Amino acid sequence: KNQVEQSPQSLIILEGKNCTLQCNYTVSPFSNLRWYKQDTGRGPVSLTIMTFSENTKSNGRYTATLDADTKQSSLHITASQLSDSASYICVVSPTPNQAGTALIFGKGTTLSVSS
Amino acid sequence: DARVTQTPRHKVTEMGQEVTMRCQPILGHNTVFWYRQTMMQGLELLAYFRNRAPLDDSGMPKDRFSAEMPDATLATLKIQPSEPRDSAVYFCASGMGTGLNTEAFFGQGTRLTVV
Repeated sequence: KNQVEQSPQSLIILEGKNCTLQCNYTVSPFSNLRWYKQDTGRGPVSLTIMTFSENTKSNGRYTATLDADTKQSSLHITASQLSDSASYICVVSPTPNQAGTALIFGKGTTLSVSS
Repeated sequence: DARVTQTPRHKVTEMGQEVTMRCQPILGHNTVFWYRQTMMQGLELLAYFRNRAPLDDSGMPKDRFSAEMPDATLATLKIQPSEPRDSAVYFCASGMGTGLNTEAFFGQGTRLTVV
């Protein structure tokens, strides 16, 4: 069964510190992996998209890595800010030519950055 | 700036009533997605359209849910009759591309409560 598991479920860190969020998936084959940031009461916003051939992708203080062999991805946040407090969702797209294809969503990691 | 607009933002209704949620995609986008988000299940893809034609609605309970695009500027998601288990945040997203690998821009969601 195609699944996306994220860890930890929640995380509290001090402002200025770094943190890493994990995403393990069993989707195979897969087309791409995305990380979204969702602020409370808002819709998700895309941070990064990586295809199976990419190992890393950066967006400002956010850096995503992908290991297609171990089926793991991580999102590293550098020098965290209060505005980084949000839910971070990992999403995997199966190969698009499969019939009945659907995006596979993780349940997210809730990050709280405190001063 | 261009954004996906959803109405209403909040809806409280009694069980058995019809609920209609509306979405105005970003002008020029050819793909529209409907998602549902709950604490238990996270984000789930309900249906998506490309060039106003439904491509996949396998995530949607067919007996009570229906999704349509009367024109390129309006997508609707209807629930009839509504049930308490339908309580969730419903997101619409739009993008330009060829299906599920399309970059999706999300609206702010409609929070539905069925009592």
